[in-house]
Amino acid sequence: AQSVAQPEDQVNVAEGNPLTVKCTYSVSGNPYLFWYVQYPNRGLQFLLKYITGDNLVKGSYGFEAEFNKSQTSFHLKKPSALVSDSALYFCAVRDVYSGGGADGLTFGKGTHLIIQP
Amino acid sequence: DTGVSQNPRHKITKRGQNVTFRCDPISEHNRLYWYRQTLGQGPEFLTYFQNEAQLEKSRLLSDRFSAERPKGSFSTLEIQRTEQGDSAMYLCASSLRTSGGETQYFGPGTRLLVL
Repeated sequence: AQSVAQPEDQVNVAEGNPLTVKCTYSVSGNPYLFWYVQYPNRGLQFLLKYITGDNLVKGSYGFEAEFNKSQTSFHLKKPSALVSDSALYFCAVRDVYSGGGADGLTFGKGTHLIIQP
Repeated sequence: DTGVSQNPRHKITKRGQNVTFRCDPISEHNRLYWYRQTLGQGPEFLTYFQNEAQLEKSRLLSDRFSAERPKGSFSTLEIQRTEQGDSAMYLCASSLRTSGGETQYFGPGTRLLVL
């Protein structure tokens, strides 16, 4: 079984400061990892993903994430936060070797990111 | 707009009634997924299609739920004899199956309230 943990329900950051949203995962094999953002009353927007290769992945809106296999983590980062980054962020995982199934993504519970002016 | 669309956006129904939701994926995408999201939780996988074939169902998909994708294009999700516990946001996503790790693109969702 695969699972995702987002240990922080809420992260507060001052505008202009760096931000980190934490994510750890568990899969039987190797992971595909994703970050999505959700604004109020809207669907999920794709930010970035890790498939293979370089552990540092760059995505939309200046976000990046670092895959760390030994720590089974995929933390989302941004060097300088904007007020408009305030939203709900979800980490998701899928096992590379889905075999006879399990092609759906498993999501964490989400982290509210609040950027204070 | 060439993104994933869902209709209706909101649905209020009484317990025991049947409801049906529609999802139109991105046109060239061969995979279509349904998820359910309740307040304070991340989306939970329900089922998915590759073209018209339904390849996987989650244990969350009770026998009151049925999904179809008859021509490999749009999909419908029907809930029969709705219960208050069915109140949630129902999300649809689509992707283009390649070698794996493809991105799922989500629609805006249908919010269901069962009274």
